[in-house]
Amino acid sequence: DSGVTQTPKHLITATGQRVTLRCSPRSGDLSVYWYQQSLDQGLQFLIQYYNGEERAKGNILERFSAQQFPDLHSELNLSSLELGDSALYFCASSVRGLDEQYFGPGTRLTVT
Amino acid sequence: DQQVKQNSPSLSVQEGRISILNCDYTNSMFDYFLWYKKYPAEGPTFLISISSIKDKNEDGRFTVFLNKSAKHLSLHIVPSQPGDSAVYFCAASGRNTGFQKLVFGTGTRLLVSP
Repeated sequence: DSGVTQTPKHLITATGQRVTLRCSPRSGDLSVYWYQQSLDQGLQFLIQYYNGEERAKGNILERFSAQQFPDLHSELNLSSLELGDSALYFCASSVRGLDEQYFGPGTRLTVT
Repeated sequence: DQQVKQNSPSLSVQEGRISILNCDYTNSMFDYFLWYKKYPAEGPTFLISISSIKDKNEDGRFTVFLNKSAKHLSLHIVPSQPGDSAVYFCAASGRNTGFQKLVFGTGTRLLVSP
């Protein structure tokens, strides 16, 4: 158990819909990262927050947004969902930035 | 543009033998490298890391070697055990060079047979 929690574990929704994925980092970690893993693909970095502020951005679509709240939990919002958005979404946390990251179990999103 | 490449999608090894997983990178700004292990239905787990000021780092059965001139790193597992069967991801970042992202390779699936 990494100490990072993600909810929900599974999510099935239809195209065009909007969903919110939630992540709680390990106690004491200030950085939160979001990654997408599509079938047979590596982990694609989406976005990083550090202590409530956006720190780095990867290949995150404009339809996706994220935020980190004062209690350090983070949410990833995915809107106007397309079939290609079906993937595993991982959240990770670290004490600062670019330290070893600890990953949550992931949320499997299926868009039908 | 795949800045971190793991060219072998899979590797099969017998229990007790050495497993060698390879990773190549292209970005000269990378100065910190990590290996993660991932079991099905779980998130990746940090395994071992190495800074560019070193060429080797060891932790128990796991050793990572870094060849900066070749932009190549490898993970050695000795001896391999069936429980090591997982997908291994190589990752890189620029801790001291301003490259503030962790870039992952596509992974190598290791199968260790008894």
